[in-house]
Amino acid sequence: AQSVTQLDSQVPVFEEAPVELRCNYSSSVSVYLFWYVQYPNQGLQLLLKYLSGSTLVKGINGFEAEFNKSQTSFHLRKPSVHISDTAEYFCAVSGSGYSTLTFGKGTMLLVSP
Amino acid sequence: DTGVSQDPRHKITKRGQNVTFRCDPISEHNRLYWYRQTLGQGPEFLTYFQNEAQLEKSRLLSDRFSAERPKGSFSTLEIQRTEQGDSAMYLCASSPTGGSYNEQFFGPGTRLTVL
Repeated sequence: AQSVTQLDSQVPVFEEAPVELRCNYSSSVSVYLFWYVQYPNQGLQLLLKYLSGSTLVKGINGFEAEFNKSQTSFHLRKPSVHISDTAEYFCAVSGSGYSTLTFGKGTMLLVSP
Repeated sequence: DTGVSQDPRHKITKRGQNVTFRCDPISEHNRLYWYRQTLGQGPEFLTYFQNEAQLEKSRLLSDRFSAERPKGSFSTLEIQRTEQGDSAMYLCASSPTGGSYNEQFFGPGTRLTVL
């Protein structure tokens, strides 16, 4: 069985400040890890993914994440946020590249001027 | 190019009524998934299809829920005798098959409110 824990339900931050959204997972098998973003009244959009190889993964909109196997973490970072980054962010895990996704509860990123 | 579409976007119904949602995946995507997202939670897997075959169902999918994908293209999710606990966003996703990884592309969802 797999599970995902997103440690913060809300993260308030000022525009142009750096941000880190935390994600920890548990799995008995090798995992694929994902971050999705959801804007109000919209579906989910893939930000980035870790499948294998380099533990530092770069995604869209300037986001990146680092896979840490020993700490079972996959934290999302952005060095300078914009107002338009305000959205809900979901970390997800799957046991293979084409199986179903297990999501965390989400972190609401609130960017203010 | 159109992405995954879902219809309707919003549905309000009274407890005990039946509702049906439709999902049109990206053309030629073999796999189609249904997820449910309740307030304050992440999406939870319900079921998925490869072509017309329903390959996996979650324990969340009670016997009041049924999903079909009759011709391997669009899919429908029906909820019979709706309950207030069924109020949620129902998300559909599709992905191709082949290769080691297949990204799931999500639709905008159908928001169900049961009064």
